[in-house]
Amino acid sequence: KQEVTQIPAALSVPEGENLVLNCSFTDSAIYNLQWFRQDPGKGLTSLLLIQSSQREQTSGRLNASLDKSSGRSTLYIAASQPGDSATYLCAVKNSQGGSEKLVFGKGTKLTVNP
Amino acid sequence: DTAVSQTPKYLVTQMGNDKSIKCEQNLGHDTMYWYKQDSKKFLKIMFSYNNKELIINETVPNRFSPKSPDKAHLNLHINSLELGDSAVYFCASSLGYTGGNSPLHFGNGTRLTVT
Repeated sequence: KQEVTQIPAALSVPEGENLVLNCSFTDSAIYNLQWFRQDPGKGLTSLLLIQSSQREQTSGRLNASLDKSSGRSTLYIAASQPGDSATYLCAVKNSQGGSEKLVFGKGTKLTVNP
Repeated sequence: DTAVSQTPKYLVTQMGNDKSIKCEQNLGHDTMYWYKQDSKKFLKIMFSYNNKELIINETVPNRFSPKSPDKAHLNLHINSLELGDSAVYFCASSLGYTGGNSPLHFGNGTRLTVT
């Protein structure tokens, strides 16, 4: 059974700092890994999707890496801004019980202080 | 706007009642999902439909019944509501299912409170 863990559960940084969020998963037979952002009272917004054959994806100040063999992914945020404050969730897609499922971690709550 | 929209945004009801949550997407996706986010913010899949066909049915009580009249709609009906059903329910959609690499698009959630 796939389990996704995100560390730390919460992170507070001053504006302008570069930071890394971590995600680990137990079953390396994944189709893809996705990073989402969730703002309070809102749904999830997809940030980056890394296919199992890829090692990283970049979008603006965000860079996500994937090391499938070790079951790890990182989300790097450069030059953080107060608007980056949100909960960041990692999710992996793999096959379980004959169905493809997206399994989520519990998220890292990021606070960027001005 | 192209989006996943679900209604209502808030739902407060008493134990034992029956309620429905509606979801619609205009993204042209063929796969839709219901997720439940509990008080600890843990997001877990409940159901998934691909082209109106039920694909995933997690260990969810029979009181929960999804219905997909067409590819763009996936509704969730809940019978005999219990206190433990209080949570935020998210609808999502994606393009393709098997082996697909389409990111999920989420609605803004329905906060259900059972009193």
